[in-house]
Amino acid sequence: QKEVEQNSGPLSVPEGAIASLNCTYSDRGSQSFFWYRQYSGKSPELIMSIYSNGDKEDGRFTAQLNKASQYVSLLIRDSQPSDSATYLCAVRGPAGTYKYIFGTGTRLKVLA
Amino acid sequence: DVKVTQSSRYLVKRTGEKVFLECVQDMDHENMFWYRQDPGLGLRLIYFSYDVKMKEKGDIPEGYSVSREKKERFSLILESASTNQTSMYLCASSPIGQGITYEQYFGPGTRLTVT
Repeated sequence: QKEVEQNSGPLSVPEGAIASLNCTYSDRGSQSFFWYRQYSGKSPELIMSIYSNGDKEDGRFTAQLNKASQYVSLLIRDSQPSDSATYLCAVRGPAGTYKYIFGTGTRLKVLA
Repeated sequence: DVKVTQSSRYLVKRTGEKVFLECVQDMDHENMFWYRQDPGLGLRLIYFSYDVKMKEKGDIPEGYSVSREKKERFSLILESASTNQTSMYLCASSPIGQGITYEQYFGPGTRLTVT
């Protein structure tokens, strides 16, 4: 089992719809969770971080964390063609560890 | 704004050459990281450093070494470049506070081709 799993996609949504991206992780002791957006040929750009169970909203983005189910998701409301990119989920382990584990990413295509 | 810069965006080197990739961050972050990213394999950690002159091996350190002589600068060295080291190399930094490590910020990346 991979430590951080994401569906590779592509996930295709029409413009204006809600895109839902999912991520599961294997280490129950993980404490910090991050979503990055990566355009083709570019480096990852941080979108959101979440540390406690529940929802965290920032503009059109909402991150959701459920530690009991070891599940973190990212919702993108009113999706735009400019949101088309690969979205990486990253997980940092228990306190005292420095490593971040990245999923291989979900490719999102927003259709105009 | 956090700024992480890398010395080159594109680099072409020959097999056997010694290659230096440099990374500088301007936010006084304690932690710095080197990753490589390959299609289908995602980001893989090569080395990280949590303080000046301190380093830890990541998942794929073979063929690489690192140097951190100043807090803001973290260098990746390919001792003898090989074609299987052709990849996108990404540097990242993150702050640390009260035992909790915060977000990583990435540099623009260096696309290295070894011929």
